[in-house]
Amino acid sequence: AQSVAQPEDQVNVAEGNPLTVKCTYSVSGNPYLFWYVQYPNRGLQFLLKYITGDNLVKGSYGFEAEFNKSQTSFHLKKPSALVSDSALYFCAAANNFGNEKLTFGTGTRLTIIP
Amino acid sequence: DTGVSQDPRHKITKRGQNVTFRCDPISEHNRLYWYRQTLGQGPEFLTYFQNEAQLEKSRLLSDRFSAERPKGSFSTLEIQHTEQGDSAMYLCASSALLGAGSRNTIYFGEGSWLTVV
Repeated sequence: AQSVAQPEDQVNVAEGNPLTVKCTYSVSGNPYLFWYVQYPNRGLQFLLKYITGDNLVKGSYGFEAEFNKSQTSFHLKKPSALVSDSALYFCAAANNFGNEKLTFGTGTRLTIIP
Repeated sequence: DTGVSQDPRHKITKRGQNVTFRCDPISEHNRLYWYRQTLGQGPEFLTYFQNEAQLEKSRLLSDRFSAERPKGSFSTLEIQHTEQGDSAMYLCASSALLGAGSRNTIYFGEGSWLTVV
């Protein structure tokens, strides 16, 4: 069974500072990894994905994520946080065996402090 | 591209009533998914369709739940005899089918909030 862990329920970062939201995964075979963002009472917005290739993936709104196979991690990063980045962030994973189910972590609430 | 559309956005119903949610996927997306999200949790997979065929159902999808995609376009999720535990946000998503071994992005709608009182 596949699983995703987001070890921090809450992350607070000062505006302008770099941010990291952590994610580790467990899947059979090669992982497909995703980050989504959710604003209050809204659906999920796609940020970025790792399928194969370069371990550093660039996505929307200046976010990027680094795939680390040995540590089974896929941390989300941004060099300079904005107040508008405050939201709930979800990491998700699937495997490459035709499995269409995304398994999500429990989410990390990111708060950017002005 | 108008995105994944869900209707209604909010539904309050009495326990025991039936409710139906509709999802219109992104045009020409042949894969459609339903997920459920409860407060403080990440979305959980319920079921997915490829065109009109329902290819997988989660054990979370009890006999009271039924999903259809009759013409391979929009989909409906019906919950019969609702219970308070059904209160959640029901998310629809869609993606395009690429070649074997390929993976495309799954795009989500705004969700349909269900409150069972």
